[in-house]
Amino acid sequence: DADVTQTPRNRITKTGKRIMLECSQTKGHDRMYWYRQDPGLGLRLIYYSFDVKDINKGEISDGYSVSRQAQAKFSLSLESAIPNQTALYFCAVGTDTGELFFGEGSRLTVL
Amino acid sequence: QKEVEQDPGPLSVPEGAIVSLNCTYSNSAFQYFMWYRQYSRKGPELLMYTYSSGNKEDGRFTAQVDKSSKYISLFIRDSQPSDSATYLCAMSAGQGAQKLVFGQGTRLTINP
Repeated sequence: DADVTQTPRNRITKTGKRIMLECSQTKGHDRMYWYRQDPGLGLRLIYYSFDVKDINKGEISDGYSVSRQAQAKFSLSLESAIPNQTALYFCAVGTDTGELFFGEGSRLTVL
Repeated sequence: QKEVEQDPGPLSVPEGAIVSLNCTYSNSAFQYFMWYRQYSRKGPELLMYTYSSGNKEDGRFTAQVDKSSKYISLFIRDSQPSDSATYLCAMSAGQGAQKLVFGQGTRLTINP
């Protein structure tokens, strides 16, 4: 089983719909991150969390929200999806020295 | 100007060749340098992690950091078709991934 599991792996939705991407991990580290990856733009940080009561905005948090339900679970929500949120989304678990372990990604298409 | 610049390629080389992948950066405070490998339809995986300047070798892979030139490189010796992937550089001024800045990745193909 993967150490960092993302669901769903693929999702097509319509503009205005609410979407949740879920992430769970068995790495045992406290730090969790959500990134989006776009061609030509690389990986950009959306939100991160160092523990259950800690939520921090990243570089591109507008239009997104997160929930840290447990040490091992970190969800990303799009309250009202728009087409420019079409991207590949990655959850990652990090060590305190900066190493990241990524999930396999969730491909989201907003029509 | 982006903080981290990486040629997106694509780069195509024959099997067995030595591959050189590079990134330049503008922030002189960067001290932690990483290379991630990303196979198609997969998440990135950490390949090399170096602190400050110098070289680090791991099997066929060598990471090199030249802070005076603000330039980092990843060398792959005896390249294999299984090395075909996108390689992303990443760097930060402090420990912890929240400040990590990624290059856009170089797509590499090794031809048998």
